[in-house]
Amino acid sequence: QQQVKQSPQSLIVQKGGISIINCAYENTAFDYFPWYQQFPGKGPALLIAIRPDVSEKKEGRFTISFNKSAKQFSLHIMDSQPGDSATYFCAARRGGTDKLIFGTGTRLQVFP
Amino acid sequence: KAGVTQTPRYLIKTRGQQVTLSCSPISGHRSVSWYQQTPGQGLQFLFEYFSETQRNKGNFPGRFSGRQFSNSRSEMNVSTLELGDSALYLCASSFGTGGETQYFGPGTRLLVL
Repeated sequence: QQQVKQSPQSLIVQKGGISIINCAYENTAFDYFPWYQQFPGKGPALLIAIRPDVSEKKEGRFTISFNKSAKQFSLHIMDSQPGDSATYFCAARRGGTDKLIFGTGTRLQVFP
Repeated sequence: KAGVTQTPRYLIKTRGQQVTLSCSPISGHRSVSWYQQTPGQGLQFLFEYFSETQRNKGNFPGRFSGRQFSNSRSEMNVSTLELGDSALYLCASSFGTGGETQYFGPGTRLLVL
């Protein structure tokens, strides 16, 4: 029940295309769902986050779509750029704690 | 504003030794969490500290321990190192627990030979 399942494991997208990464969870006590971006040799950096009372959140080229009934959420990267090439992690957290449960990560490669 | 700092950045140890890693949170942050990142297991939660109290502990053996000081700085210790402890150890900080954005440091890369 603590798992967060993430797919795909890797993704190759042409510059200007849309990158889509999906995550699913089981624990309905989760109330915060962040996405982190990690470049080689760096720690994860928060990209965008959503709470279950919202179905979509957009920040620039990054959008989270959240489906509470299906217990799924996804990250959409519009107009993907070579600089977006990184590993992306979804995560989930219960209220009252900082403990993040991470997905397994998606390695995104954007080719010019 | 300085980010989360972790020292040392790289460390090489041999099996059976012990190691202490340090994390300085962002100024004003009182919550510190630790994670282990490996290619096989991904990012796994180790501990969470707030105001010097351990609030949560992950599923790791007792060889892994941690503490937080009154200035919110935190240390984690791994005793009797095993080859499988080779990993990137990440620290994250936030203002409080459960409601705030967490910011990660660059990590300490530990290699156990």
